Amino acid sequence: DTAVSQTPKYLVTQMGNDKSIKCEQNLGHDTMYWYKQDSKKFLKIMFSYNNKELIINETVPNRFSPKSPDKAHLNLHINSLELGDSAVYFCASSQALAGGVYEQYFGPGTRLTVT
Amino acid sequence: LAKTTQPISMDSYEGQEVNITCSHNNIATNDYITWYQQFPSQGPRFIIQGYKTKVTNEVASLFIPADRKSSTLSLPRVSLSDTAVYYCLVSNNAGNMLTFGGGTRLMVKP
Repeated sequence: DTAVSQTPKYLVTQMGNDKSIKCEQNLGHDTMYWYKQDSKKFLKIMFSYNNKELIINETVPNRFSPKSPDKAHLNLHINSLELGDSAVYFCASSQALAGGVYEQYFGPGTRLTVT
Repeated sequence: LAKTTQPISMDSYEGQEVNITCSHNNIATNDYITWYQQFPSQGPRFIIQGYKTKVTNEVASLFIPADRKSSTLSLPRVSLSDTAVYYCLVSNNAGNMLTFGGGTRLMVKP
């Protein structure tokens, strides 16, 4: 059973297009995240979201928007794609445990290539 | 948000102990330190998390000094399969304010 799944695994598209990446978790977690990993392997948080609060990294362009139809899903919509959006996008989820310990479970990633 | 800094790469040999240090000078009082491992074409995987002093689990130990401005991930007796990128993460106790380090690429040689 895949804990955190993303679709598609690969996405090739042209500049200016609008695309979406879907994420689903079957762990019952209450918080989900989107990360961007660039070609230098830097991991940057884009959004964290639970049913109460959306926290947006201020460096994320407003062309990116998370949408959560329910607790188990957090999709990422990207408008007007640019060359610099090419990266691997990871979805993750977590659940806070006692003592502040929580573990993020990451999906397999979506490699986005903008041409 | 805390800024985290790690060495870009490290080399080791099978059977050795490997220590990877992360610097996080402006860590906040309610921040935790977590380490993740990432293999090529996979998402990062949780290794260990701590707040202060020492934490140990079945795969690693995490040492955090009293001032919490750095932390050290210790991998005992590494094997070839430990070749991966290791990330340090500083995050608040709600888990919604996070900063990853740049990652340390560990190469384990036979």
